[in-house]
Amino acid sequence: NFMLTQPHSVSESPGKTVTISCTGSSGSIASNYVQWYQQRPGSAPTTVIYEDNQRPSGVPDRFSGSIDSSSNSASLTISGLKTEDEADYYCQSYDSSLWVFGGGTKLTVL
Amino acid sequence: QVQLQESGPGLVKPSGTLSLTCAVSGGSISSSNWWSWVRQPPGKGLEWIGEIYHSGSTNYNPSLKSRVTISVDKSKNQFSLKLSSVTAADTAVYYCARVHQQLVSPWGQGTLVTVSS
Repeated sequence: NFMLTQPHSVSESPGKTVTISCTGSSGSIASNYVQWYQQRPGSAPTTVIYEDNQRPSGVPDRFSGSIDSSSNSASLTISGLKTEDEADYYCQSYDSSLWVFGGGTKLTVL
Repeated sequence: QVQLQESGPGLVKPSGTLSLTCAVSGGSISSSNWWSWVRQPPGKGLEWIGEIYHSGSTNYNPSLKSRVTISVDKSKNQFSLKLSSVTAADTAVYYCARVHQQLVSPWGQGTLVTVSS
């Protein structure tokens, strides 16, 4: 079964840039789109990146997504970190059209 | 703008059936979107349950497929989730969401379902 692996946690200071990785277990991660979701404590998830690198309306351009085929990974980069970015982030892709989520990464902004 | 609202019992007995509805407002469930269910056990990550198109086509998580039924009611502009033979492991916050191509938006606010006697 296809799996997505994320670091359990990352931390960075306000104003800095952080990158969260999402590594595919098999095949090519570039074969299917990757989405990224932000979930603040006590709230429903929201989409911050879809189709690898597209931002939904209302998501600031501090959020960007990319694919690195050489490492079979997707990445979410958040620049100019703000305290409001502190949240859990989940990557998601597909395995034969079925959704697969990464385990989630807790971002601490301190 | 489209809004989604989950509803259903917050407590289900073990071996029973969990039944939830997601009401769609501000748009038609017959539009060119898939409609999905995702759950999150307390303190854990997201798990996809399945999805439905307005035509009735469905896709399910293989790990839940034998117990899950997702259906659509166009007359009420809503879609539903049924999960049978529930155990404590099915205790979770259940979210519904609209999926347009690869964009999942909006999400419902979520509803906590506890499986307990």
